[in-house]
Amino acid sequence: EAGVAQSPRYKIIEKRQSVAFWCNPISGHATLYWYQQILGQGPKLLIQFQNNGVVDDSQLPKDRFSAERLKGVDSTLKIQPAKLEDSAVYLCASSLVGDGYTFGSGTRLTVV
Amino acid sequence: AQTVTQSQPEMSVQEAETVTLSCTYDTSESDYYLFWYKQPPSRQMILVIRQEAYKQQNATENRFSVNFQKAAKSFSLKISDSQLGDAAMYFCASYNNNDMRFGAGTRLTVKP
Repeated sequence: EAGVAQSPRYKIIEKRQSVAFWCNPISGHATLYWYQQILGQGPKLLIQFQNNGVVDDSQLPKDRFSAERLKGVDSTLKIQPAKLEDSAVYLCASSLVGDGYTFGSGTRLTVV
Repeated sequence: AQTVTQSQPEMSVQEAETVTLSCTYDTSESDYYLFWYKQPPSRQMILVIRQEAYKQQNATENRFSVNFQKAAKSFSLKISDSQLGDAAMYFCASYNNNDMRFGAGTRLTVKP
């Protein structure tokens, strides 16, 4: 079974620039999550999709972050404009409803 | 809301010895799951062990076992016969109704 794919693995941008991350979940997994993991902390949920609908985006900074999941499969997370405090690892995970999560390897974003 | 607390930022164990990582959680729900995830430098979150709250029996996966104390809301992870490959960040997580919350993590070092 193929895992959760994320790209890119690393990204360095200047503050105020924009950036996008991509996630391809495990085939058949209806639920997709984006987490932000700041160095030294546990992952924090940014947004959760059920198929192509948003279930929870209460912790997503909507003034600069956006996410979409077209056709209920792949998802993209965008930051525009980026701030220094957005430097973190962005993890994508997917699951069947009510089952455990499978995580991707994440994208490490550095904002300089 | 769920909260998860890991009070040990760092732990160290000698190869082949046993180590216990602590975790406490708080939830108002009666139906929930608890997880331990391992995160090596590759950043991928790997499921170590899972416990359903309604089960009294402690979960076991090979060298990994938990001590689940529901009344005390405690969920510790015991690693027996520690191996060099066990060195990683370990995150405790609480899951209910499609909402997973993580602790801040414990960095485990294994000494040869």
